[in-house]
Amino acid sequence: GAGVSQSPRYKVAKRGQDVALRCDPISGHVSLFWYQQALGQGPEFLTYFQNEAQLDKSGLPSDRFFAERPEGSVSTLKIQRTQQEDSAVYLCASSPGTSGKEEQFFGPGTRLTVL
Amino acid sequence: AQSVTQLGSHVSVSEGALVLLRCNYSSSVPPYLFWYVQYPNQGLQLLLKYTSAATLVKGINGFEAEFKKSETSFHLTKPSAHMSDAAEYFCAVSVRNTPLVFGKGTRLSVIA
Repeated sequence: GAGVSQSPRYKVAKRGQDVALRCDPISGHVSLFWYQQALGQGPEFLTYFQNEAQLDKSGLPSDRFFAERPEGSVSTLKIQRTQQEDSAVYLCASSPGTSGKEEQFFGPGTRLTVL
Repeated sequence: AQSVTQLGSHVSVSEGALVLLRCNYSSSVPPYLFWYVQYPNQGLQLLLKYTSAATLVKGINGFEAEFKKSETSFHLTKPSAHMSDAAEYFCAVSVRNTPLVFGKGTRLSVIA
């Protein structure tokens, strides 16, 4: 079976543009997470979905960031009016359960560069 | 809130030498602890995890870690380093149903 996939793998945006990043989790995984990884840093939590419900969005840095998972599978992270500080790798992860003990399976990430 | 501190942003060892990557956590309740590895341009892969069972946890690729509550530590070890172990290693903590909190990472270099 396929792992977590993300697209595009690389995205260059001009400051002020809107971008959409896609995540295809492992089929049947209930939980889906988005993380932001700045250069030389560990991943930082952005938001969490359990099926289609967004249960935690405490890590979203501003109201320019929006995520959805309308049918409980594919998720999209949208960033409006991108700024240079948004440049980072955006990682998506999925897991089969909801307890927090389970392994999270990570995608390869989308590297966003804002010029 | 829980947190993780990884001591040493870069560790360099000779091939065949012991690998020791340090992780200390802070949590007011019993934590779940994880070590992930990241190869260049790839996502993170789980090496091992502690979820309140045995305190000595064995993972993939010969790695293991020991949960020491008294020291609030979860250090990662491997008896003999291999060139293929060169990567970035992240320690992470979560409690109950909260999101993973990652450390800043330790880059492991293996010298032939």
